[in-house]
Amino acid sequence: DIQMTQSPSFLSATVGDRVTINCKASQNINKYLNWYQQKLGEAPKRLIYNTNSLQTGIPSRFSGSGSGTDYTLTISSLQPEDVATYFCLQHNSGYTFGAGTKLELK
Amino acid sequence: QIQLVQSGPELKKPGESLKISCKASGYTFTDYAMQWVKQAPGKGLQYMGWINTQTGKPTYADDFKERFVFSLETSASTAYLQINNLKNEDTATYFCARPKFHYWGQGVMVTVSS
Repeated sequence: DIQMTQSPSFLSATVGDRVTINCKASQNINKYLNWYQQKLGEAPKRLIYNTNSLQTGIPSRFSGSGSGTDYTLTISSLQPEDVATYFCLQHNSGYTFGAGTKLELK
Repeated sequence: QIQLVQSGPELKKPGESLKISCKASGYTFTDYAMQWVKQAPGKGLQYMGWINTQTGKPTYADDFKERFVFSLETSASTAYLQINNLKNEDTATYFCARPKFHYWGQGVMVTVSS
C-alpha cells in the first residue's frame, strides 16, 4: 500500500503570506495527487487534481506542483477564508489520504 | 446539479447496528462507483472502500473487512453503509463520495456510547 506523509501538521501564517504544504508518497504516484480543503463541519472540497489542475471555481492563489514522490500545495497570498485543514490524496494505486495540515492565522 | 445527500446523525450503543444512506442525484447512478470514507473526531480521512454500482460488488479496505457492509438500492439511486456490532471507535463522521473524490456527501456523524 502507498503511504502518504504530509507536512507540516500545523501551520500558523499571516494574511498575505505565501504558504506551502507538502506530501511525500512512499513510491512514485505518477502525479495522481489531489489537494482538498476542509472547513469545520463540512465535507472536503477538491482544490487541485492530478498535481496541478485547478478545480473550477477555486481562486488562482491556490496552485499545485510536484512529480514522482514529492508534491506541494501553495497558497500564494493567504486570505482569512483560507483558514481550514488541508489534505492530499493519492489515487495512483487505490486511495490514500495524507494526515492533514491545520492552517491558522497568526 | 450533482448531489450526494446522506442521512442524519446517529446515536447508538455498543453492540448495536446501523445503516446510513447516500442518495445520489443529477447523474446516472450506475455510471460511477461509490466510495466510503471515515473521519474520526479530530483525525484525518480514512478510505474504507467502494461498491460497484453496476454489479453491487463491494471492495473493502483492510481495516474495514469485518462488521462493515456496503449495499445498494439502485432503483432509488442510493448506496448504504451498514456497521454491525458497533464499537466506541466507530464514533466518526462517514462520507460517501464519487470516484476521484470530487463530489462528496455532507457526512453522517455517528456516535457510539453506552
